[in-house]
Amino acid sequence: QIQLVQSGPEVKKPGASVRVSCKASGYTFNSYGITWVRQASGQGLEWMGYISAPKGNVKYAQSFQGRVTMTTDTSASTAYMELRGLKSDDTAVYYCARLSVGHCTNDICYFSYPPPDHWGQGTLVTVSS
Amino acid sequence: EIVLTQSPGTLSLSPGESATLSCRTSQSISSTYLAWYQQKRGQAPRLLIYGASTRATGIPDRFSGSGSGTDFTLTISRLEPEDFAVYFCHQYRNSPLTFGGGTKVEIK
Repeated sequence: QIQLVQSGPEVKKPGASVRVSCKASGYTFNSYGITWVRQASGQGLEWMGYISAPKGNVKYAQSFQGRVTMTTDTSASTAYMELRGLKSDDTAVYYCARLSVGHCTNDICYFSYPPPDHWGQGTLVTVSS
Repeated sequence: EIVLTQSPGTLSLSPGESATLSCRTSQSISSTYLAWYQQKRGQAPRLLIYGASTRATGIPDRFSGSGSGTDFTLTISRLEPEDFAVYFCHQYRNSPLTFGGGTKVEIK
């Protein structure tokens, strides 16, 4: 069955960086994209960005530009999300999810079926001094 | 950016009743690109509906979606105890991908 398994919880100090991994199994990793979404406690879902597994193309949400880097290791069917310059309001659960490969220009990506359909279990990142 | 507005914020219902959840988008989108998710406390979102009205694999038929343009609806008929959760709508037409703020369906 399709699974995305994320790395474990992290505790970081303000200003530090965190890298979360997302290992996929049960499907052809190179045929889909991976998106990252975060959720602060009791809050809604915030899209962080997307990476195409076959091409490595990325599209980041404007609010994370310059602070986030998404990569993949296709040989390991694993995606990574690194967030730098952590602040206390970055404390949240970070999710990866599978979605379609996007058709991207410099400005925008267009997606199709499937939407984010299979999700990782989430990784709690706590930022505290 | 396509903004999604869900209403109501909270729905208080009893098991066996029906729930109607609304999602309005700030601009017209093809129904192809509207999805609904269920999220329970401490769990990842679970895809219920995509393409506005197509149930995802394994989703019971008491969940149904409808709508077009800017107005979309998720209906849960005959609420079961396990249906009390938070529901999010989501547009995946283009970046930035966006989600509604959620509707909590709670036990009355």
